[in-house]
Amino acid sequence: GQSLEQPSEVTAVEGAIVQINCTYQTSGFYGLSWYQQHDGGAPTFLSYNALDGLEETGRFSSFLSRSDSYGYLLLQELQMKDSASYFCAVRAMDSNYQLIWGAGTKLIIKP
Amino acid sequence: KAGVTQTPRYLIKTRGQQVTLSCSPISGHRSVSWYQQTPGQGLQFLFEYFSETQRNKGNFPGRFSGRQFSNSRSEMNVSTLELGDSALYLCASSITGGNTEAFFGQGTRLTVV
Repeated sequence: GQSLEQPSEVTAVEGAIVQINCTYQTSGFYGLSWYQQHDGGAPTFLSYNALDGLEETGRFSSFLSRSDSYGYLLLQELQMKDSASYFCAVRAMDSNYQLIWGAGTKLIIKP
Repeated sequence: KAGVTQTPRYLIKTRGQQVTLSCSPISGHRSVSWYQQTPGQGLQFLFEYFSETQRNKGNFPGRFSGRQFSNSRSEMNVSTLELGDSALYLCASSITGGNTEAFFGQGTRLTVV
């Protein structure tokens, strides 16, 4: 079956760097997405990786290693507004290409 | 360009009742997916509609159903509500459904009492 694992909670200090890991188990992997969701808000798209390597978008970067079934989201120069839940989601053949979601990582940022 | 609109935002229903939720996707988007989100859980996929046809279905009981209209607007219906159906119901639209990016509405928070 399909499964995704990510830490339930991560705490970091404002201005620091934090990495949120995601490991997945699926067949026919297609790509890994990251979404951000603030409390009471809708998930918003952050990044997508289909190939190995690092994708950078401003302060956020996302990495994928297909051979290790592993990815991470890297947030730099943390700001208080980055406090949110971060979800990894996999699109794979065995889910008929629907997004399968991790349970989310709550990022707590301290001043 | 208007975003994804879900109505109503909040709903309180009694066990045994039924409920219909609505989702208007972004103009030009033909795929609408529905998700259930409960506290501490990821998004659980309910179903996806594309061009008025259900293209994918998650592992939910038959009490959960949906449809899509010719203008791509979608509705989901839950019959014989149970307490465990209390959740945030999110819909997401994308151009074709296989896109890397899905755009979410603010959700409908359903409380079953």
